[in-house]
This record gives sequence, C-alpha cells and structure tokens, in this order.
Amino acid sequence: AQSVTQLGSHVSVSEGALVLLRCNYSSSVPPYLFWYVQYPNQGLQLLLKYTTGATLVKGINGFEAEFKKSETSFHLTKPSAHMSDAAEYFCAVTGGGNKLTFGTGTQLKVEL
Amino acid sequence: DTAVSQTPKYLVTQMGNDKSIKCEQNLGHDTMYWYKQDSKKFLKIMFSYNNKELIINETVPNRFSPKSPDKAHLNLHINSLELGDSAVYFCASSQVRAGGGETQYFGPGTRLLVL
Repeated sequence: AQSVTQLGSHVSVSEGALVLLRCNYSSSVPPYLFWYVQYPNQGLQLLLKYTTGATLVKGINGFEAEFKKSETSFHLTKPSAHMSDAAEYFCAVTGGGNKLTFGTGTQLKVEL
Repeated sequence: DTAVSQTPKYLVTQMGNDKSIKCEQNLGHDTMYWYKQDSKKFLKIMFSYNNKELIINETVPNRFSPKSPDKAHLNLHINSLELGDSAVYFCASSQVRAGGGETQYFGPGTRLLVL
C-alpha cells in the first residue's frame, strides 16, 4: 500500500523567494512519484514525475523535485516564486500499478 | 482540441435525483478514471477502466455506476443523490505501460452541488 504526507496545508512566500513544498511517502514497493498543480476551478496538471533513473527531476514552470529514498521524500522546489505560481499543489504516489494516491494538498500563496 | 473533456461543468440538483456526468478523451489512451475531490480538496480514486473493463473499484456506494461504452468514453451515473455527494468529480486518462509510472491527464472537473 502507498500513502503520501504533505507537510503544511498552506505555504506563503514572497515573490522572488524560494518555494519549498514538502512531500513524504510510504510505499511497500519502489514508488513512482508525481507532483500535480491545480489552479482555481481547473483540473490537475502534471508538474513533474519520478519513475526511475536520475533522482533530480525537472518539470514545467521552473519547478524541480528530488527523490530521496533514504528520507522517503520528494520535496518540490522553485528558486524564485512568481505570482502565477499561486495554486494548490498535490504530491501523489503509485506503486507500479495505475492507482494514484494523493496527499492532502498544499495551498501556495505568493505575496508581493 | 481538449484532451480530456467533461460535461457538464456545473451540476446543481435536488436530493434524490439521478444524474450523469460524461467524460471523453481524445488522447488515444486505454485507461480512464474517476476521482472525487471533496470540500477539503482531498482527491480519491473511485473507479478505473482499462479497455472498457473495470479494473479499480474503490469503496464507493453502489449508487455510483460507471459505464464505458468505448475506450474514449467513461460516464458516471449517480442514483438517489445525497448531500454528501456534493464534490468535484474529475475524469482522467492514461496509457498503461509495463512497469507503470504513466502520467494521468485530468479533465477540468464537474462541480456537483446537491441541495
């Protein structure tokens, strides 16, 4: 079975500051990990994913995440926040099947 | 042009009614899903179909019945609607591959409000 914990349901940063959204997972098999973004009243859009290979994954809009097996983490970062990054971010895991298990989400607020 | 589309976008109805939500994908994928997002934004899978065959059926009341007429369509019919069914329902699709890790593509959601 798989599960995901996202620490911090709300994160607020200043425009231009580092964005760090935390995700820890639990999986009984090697995990596949995903970050999705949801803008208000829209569906989910894939930011990036880790399957195998390089543990530092780069995604769209300047986001990246690093898979750390020893820490069971897959934190999402962006060096410099932009107002347009304000959204809900979801970390998700699957264990090789196609059943995505989502975290509870982190609302990112970007302030001037 | 839309990859995964859902109709309707909004649905307001009375308790006890029966309603359907339709989903279509033009990505050529072989697997489709229904997710429910509650008022706290928690997302949970409900069903998944692969090539018109039900492969995931989570603990969902049997008032919810998915139907897949073909690979590109997955509809959700809900009988005897209850207040607790109010949520956003997302359809998604993916192309299953050996080893897993495929991306699921989501539709824009159907916002259901039961009064």
